[in-house]
Amino acid sequence: AQSVSQHNHHVILSEAASLELGCNYSYGGTVNLFWYVQYPGQHLQLLLKYFSGDPLVKGIKGFEAEFIKSKFSFNLRKPSVQWSDTAEYFCAVKGRSSNTGKLIFGQGTTLQVKP
Amino acid sequence: DTGVSQNPRHKITKRGQNVTFRCDPISEHNRLYWYRQTLGQGPEFLTYFQNEAQLEKSRLLSDRFSAERPKGSFSTLEIQRTEQGDSAMYLCASSLYGLAASGANVLTFGAGSRLTVL
Repeated sequence: AQSVSQHNHHVILSEAASLELGCNYSYGGTVNLFWYVQYPGQHLQLLLKYFSGDPLVKGIKGFEAEFIKSKFSFNLRKPSVQWSDTAEYFCAVKGRSSNTGKLIFGQGTTLQVKP
Repeated sequence: DTGVSQNPRHKITKRGQNVTFRCDPISEHNRLYWYRQTLGQGPEFLTYFQNEAQLEKSRLLSDRFSAERPKGSFSTLEIQRTEQGDSAMYLCASSLYGLAASGANVLTFGAGSRLTVL
């Protein structure tokens, strides 16, 4: 079955700490991968995406993610978090050959950054 | 505001009542998606349209749920005979699909409509 698993449900960090959020997917075929972020009281926003090519993808606000095909993973990283990064983060997958554009989301990780 | 707009933002209803949500996508987007999100979970796909055609429905979508996109622009999601288990955030997203679209289908989400069934 197609699925996305985010290992960390709730992460608490201090400002300036480094961040890595895990994401593993199960999908038969080549994929497009996404990270979305939802800041408190706001709608889901695209943080970054991977389609093809360089497996290290850079997104907005200093975030990056690395696609490791052999591990079916797409972990999100940021070297130094800020209080404003407090949000919920969702990993999502789509089959690259799929015509639907339908995204399958993980259950999300809540990140709390302490000032 | 040129984003995806959803109304109402909040709806409280009694069990058994019908509710309708509206979504206005980004104007040039030809695809429109409905998702449902409950507390502590990621969004779950419900259905999507390409222009006015409803191309896929999830098995999550019971026969009490119906969605339309009559002119290929805005969409409505109606829930009949609401149940407490229907309480959730209903998210709408839109995207541009086709030869004119660069890259893969990237969804832009609205703020959602929160339903509380008492």
